[in-house]
Amino acid sequence: TQLLEQSPQFLSIQEGENLTVYCNSSSVFSSLQWYRQEPGEGPVLLVTVVTGGEVKKLKRLTFQFGDARKDSSLHITAAQPGDTGLYLCAGATSGGSNYKLTFGKGTLLTVNP
Amino acid sequence: KAGVTQTPRYLIKTRGQQVTLSCSPISGHRSVSWYQQTPGQGLQFLFEYFSETQRNKGNFPGRFSGRQFSNSRSEMNVSTLELGDSALYLCASSFKNRNTEAFFGQGTRLTVV
Repeated sequence: TQLLEQSPQFLSIQEGENLTVYCNSSSVFSSLQWYRQEPGEGPVLLVTVVTGGEVKKLKRLTFQFGDARKDSSLHITAAQPGDTGLYLCAGATSGGSNYKLTFGKGTLLTVNP
Repeated sequence: KAGVTQTPRYLIKTRGQQVTLSCSPISGHRSVSWYQQTPGQGLQFLFEYFSETQRNKGNFPGRFSGRQFSNSRSEMNVSTLELGDSALYLCASSFKNRNTEAFFGQGTRLTVV
């Protein structure tokens, strides 16, 4: 069974602070995705990383895929209240038609004004 | 382009009843996956359909079933509802056969009393 561990589980910070959340696994994934989910809504895809060591930036968000494609991190610079939400990582495995996304339990981020 | 549409948004059922949830994927998307989200377990994969065929199934009891129609719309059914089935049920659609980027609907909040 492939598991994705996300840490921390909860994070409450003040506006303007920086933060990093982590997504770790003992399994290798063909790609890894990050989603953000707001209350009462479905997750929204932020980014997909595919290559080991890959770094992608989305405005104040920086995503990194580990060299071995087993882990990833999300760094937010100068967090804003609008960044509040549940951040989920999901690992994808390929293998013909038998693929699925395995989700971590998420990091619940609260950014206080 | 319309997003993934799930109906109904909210549902209250009694133990022992059955329920059917509906998902209309993004136009042109042929893959539909279903997930159960609870605070304790996070997002858990139920099953995935592609071109009316179930390609993959998670570790849920047989009370959980689904199907996909020729227009790619999908339904999931839960029979003999239990209190523990209370959750947010999310549907996600994808475009390509092996594309792992999922686009989620807003979900159906099921409460079993």
